[in-house]
Amino acid sequence: AQSVAQPEDQVNVAEGNPLTVKCTYSVSGNPYLFWYVQYPNRGLQFLLKYITGDNLVKGSYGFEAEFNKSQTSFHLKKPSALVSDSALYFCAVRDMNNNAGNMLTFGGGTRLMVKP
Amino acid sequence: GAVVSQHPSRVICKSGTSVKIECRSLDFQATTMFWYRQFPKQSLMLMATSNEGSKATYEQGVEKDKFLINHASLTLSTLTVTSAHPEDSSFYICSARIVYEQYFGPGTRLTVT
Repeated sequence: AQSVAQPEDQVNVAEGNPLTVKCTYSVSGNPYLFWYVQYPNRGLQFLLKYITGDNLVKGSYGFEAEFNKSQTSFHLKKPSALVSDSALYFCAVRDMNNNAGNMLTFGGGTRLMVKP
Repeated sequence: GAVVSQHPSRVICKSGTSVKIECRSLDFQATTMFWYRQFPKQSLMLMATSNEGSKATYEQGVEKDKFLINHASLTLSTLTVTSAHPEDSSFYICSARIVYEQYFGPGTRLTVT
């Protein structure tokens, strides 16, 4: 079974400061990892993904994430937060070795609050 | 990027009636679509996986006779909530997959009174 944990329900950061949203995962095979952002009453927007290759992945809106296999983590980062980054962030994983369903498993979500 | 639309974005219906939600992939063909349900301040819960031309695969605990899913073409999947009750009120999100990525619709807010 695959699972994702986002240990923080909410992350507060001041505008201009760096931000980190944590994610750890568990899969039996090799992971496909994703970050999505959700604004109120909206669907999910794709931010970035890790499939293979460079452990540091750059995505939309200045976000990046680092795949760490030994720590089974895929933390989302941004060097300088904006108030407009305030939203709900979801980490998701799919086991590339599990063809049954090929479904994404989502973490519980982390609310990011950026204060001016 | 790929665009997925949902219609309606918001619907209010009376208890006992049925509601149909459409999910369309606008600029690509999706052999697989997913339907999720999201409660306030919670994560997405996968309800079912829909493959074009075949029956949907429902997750454990999801009533297939209540949540009817039809995936008639490569660009359209529908979710019908039959005999809706207030506890069915939720935010429903569809998603379409291309290779490794899933693209999500904007969601439908269903309120059953």
